[in-house]
Amino acid sequence: DVVMTQSPLSLPVTLGQPASIFCRSSQGLVYRGEYVFLSWFQQRPGQSPRRLIYEVSNRDSGVPDRFSGSGSGTDFTLKISRVEAEDVGVYYCMQGTHWPWTFGPGTKVEIK
Amino acid sequence: QVQLVESGGGLVHPGGSLTLSCEASGSTLRDTYKAWIRQAPGKGLEWLSYIDGTSRDINYADSVRGRFTISRDNAKNSLYLHMNSLRVEDTAVYYCVTGAQIRIPDYWGQGTPVTVSS
Repeated sequence: DVVMTQSPLSLPVTLGQPASIFCRSSQGLVYRGEYVFLSWFQQRPGQSPRRLIYEVSNRDSGVPDRFSGSGSGTDFTLKISRVEAEDVGVYYCMQGTHWPWTFGPGTKVEIK
Repeated sequence: QVQLVESGGGLVHPGGSLTLSCEASGSTLRDTYKAWIRQAPGKGLEWLSYIDGTSRDINYADSVRGRFTISRDNAKNSLYLHMNSLRVEDTAVYYCVTGAQIRIPDYWGQGTPVTVSS
């Protein structure tokens, strides 16, 4: 199985400051030479996960533009340009290229 | 918009069986792939199984293969997960998911909790 690792696992952030979450896959994630099925999900306390970013860098409709995704190969990053209170939660990267599709362990974002 | 509503969760003894249901509303994704993901208490997320619109393309994670069966009824816009030989480690919240591309699911249900305990 493809192992997804994330760092840090806990991220205390000051409101208004930037934050970055790193994700590494144990294998490359290119599918049929064209797609990279690397997504980011946010799970707020008591809620279902919500997709924020798909195919590395495409932001979902309704997702604030302070969220951005980047990366290639096996290394990927989710950036929050200025953290707001509503961003508290756990963030997961996920690969959908190799079955079984797998999630990272999650990064818990909290306000300092 | 697509809404997914899971049901059927509950308390079951080890070795027991349970069937989860997921009813979808919003016809634009009626015949698309659907899948089940679970989240054990305080843990991360695990893909379990997916099924295509024709029920011909089906796959399972090794952790549930041979014990769980995914199925769907397109006429009822419903997805099912039949779970047999349940183990304590199957205790989790079970989510139904779908999307235009199942490898990047953008619609999630609210989840239904399953507890396996004696």
